[in-house]
Amino acid sequence: GAGVSQSPRYKVAKRGQDVALRCDPISGHVSLFWYQQALGQGPEFLTYFQNEAQLDKSGLPSDRFFAERPEGSVSTLKIQRTQQEDSAVYLCASSLLGGIGEQYFGPGTRLTVT
Amino acid sequence: DQQVKQNSPSLSVQEGRISILNCDYTNSMFDYFLWYKKYPAEGPTFLISISSIKDKNEDGRFTVFLNKSAKHLSLHIVPSQPGDSAVYFCAASDTGNQFYFGTGTSLTVIP
Repeated sequence: GAGVSQSPRYKVAKRGQDVALRCDPISGHVSLFWYQQALGQGPEFLTYFQNEAQLDKSGLPSDRFFAERPEGSVSTLKIQRTQQEDSAVYLCASSLLGGIGEQYFGPGTRLTVT
Repeated sequence: DQQVKQNSPSLSVQEGRISILNCDYTNSMFDYFLWYKKYPAEGPTFLISISSIKDKNEDGRFTVFLNKSAKHLSLHIVPSQPGDSAVYFCAASDTGNQFYFGTGTSLTVIP
């Protein structure tokens, strides 16, 4: 596809379940970002990959959150033992190069933890 | 602690008039700024950017102004069109890797 895609678009999980959110960046894009957007807030940085290397994970809120990009393309954000405060839209973005540059966002995955 | 602030949650403007969206930041190390536009159920779409070496960048109907001493930037849309109705986010970065977003301003352009 031409843009960043994310799946699933919507996910409902019971508290304590594990979830995996997928991001397919634009082909050839070096950088990949994950953001968490709570209701009424702006996106908040979670983690950043340059190719397969996770260069910054300072925004991950707890050790229940884990992200990977093993082949430098598709990325998965995994949340273990989900809590209600994890309910948010999770946005993935990619950019052509590392560092400063325009980020292209996917449509997001809306996670609801009940 | 919110490093990027958009103090107006909403703004209504008549079609054809100017829309001015404001953004303030606290970190003087920020050197790259972007504006994004977001429609419901979609991801943010890049609009325009500016680096700290400039004080103005223009792209068609969109102009971003940066006042480094005041740690303030603004987005001007002239003339405003109904299709501009969306939520606008400003974002700032000091490293190019981690971007800090504001909470957004919902713009409504009235036909």
